[in-house]
Amino acid sequence: EVQLVESGGGLVEPGRSLRLSCAASGFTFEDYAMHWVRQGPRRGLEWVSGISWNGFITEYVDSVKGRFTISRDNAKNSLYLEMTSLRAEDTALYYCVKDPLRHLPSYYMDVWGKGTTVTVSS
Amino acid sequence: QSVLTQPPSVSAAPGQKVTVSCSGSSSNIGENFVSWYQHLPGTAPKLLIYGNNERPSGIPDRFSGSKSGSSATLDITGLQTGDEGDYYCGTWDTDVGADFVFGTGTKVIVL
Repeated sequence: EVQLVESGGGLVEPGRSLRLSCAASGFTFEDYAMHWVRQGPRRGLEWVSGISWNGFITEYVDSVKGRFTISRDNAKNSLYLEMTSLRAEDTALYYCVKDPLRHLPSYYMDVWGKGTTVTVSS
Repeated sequence: QSVLTQPPSVSAAPGQKVTVSCSGSSSNIGENFVSWYQHLPGTAPKLLIYGNNERPSGIPDRFSGSKSGSSATLDITGLQTGDEGDYYCGTWDTDVGADFVFGTGTKVIVL
């Protein structure tokens, strides 16, 4: 069974950092691009960042450029999101999502994790 | 604010049909494939439609998608109470590099 399990969320003060992790299983992780998608309180889905199968290509939504860094460790079947200079508007449920292809851009996303909650507040 | 616009809500009685629209532009829906996602309360989002009108295995044919120009549509026939939730369209927008964009979301209400 294909499974994505996120971890690392929590309560953090504005300006601080947090690192999210995603453990993948049930498929050949290194063969697929991956993404982070978030949903803020009473808001819709927002794509945050994507990374190609080999980690060479990364993309970010404008609002997180320069603050967030996506990475992956194919040997550990893991995806990461390093978040710095966090703001209140980054408060959201963050989903780890699998792409059906190796490369970016993404045409669609086929498997979603259950998410990990990040709350930015003093 | 998303570049893909959906109605905030649509509703119908069980067994009836609902249509969810998704309006974009030439830089997104106009030249790229559209996908649709179902987000039921307390669950992870699920892929319903990809490539404008293709269903992943396990998705019933009550769900169908189409695209015309810069707009796309999701139809749900034989509406069931378990279908109540949020539905999002999505595609790639060439005006914003390699960004994927989601629609504003539509709540499907089963009366």
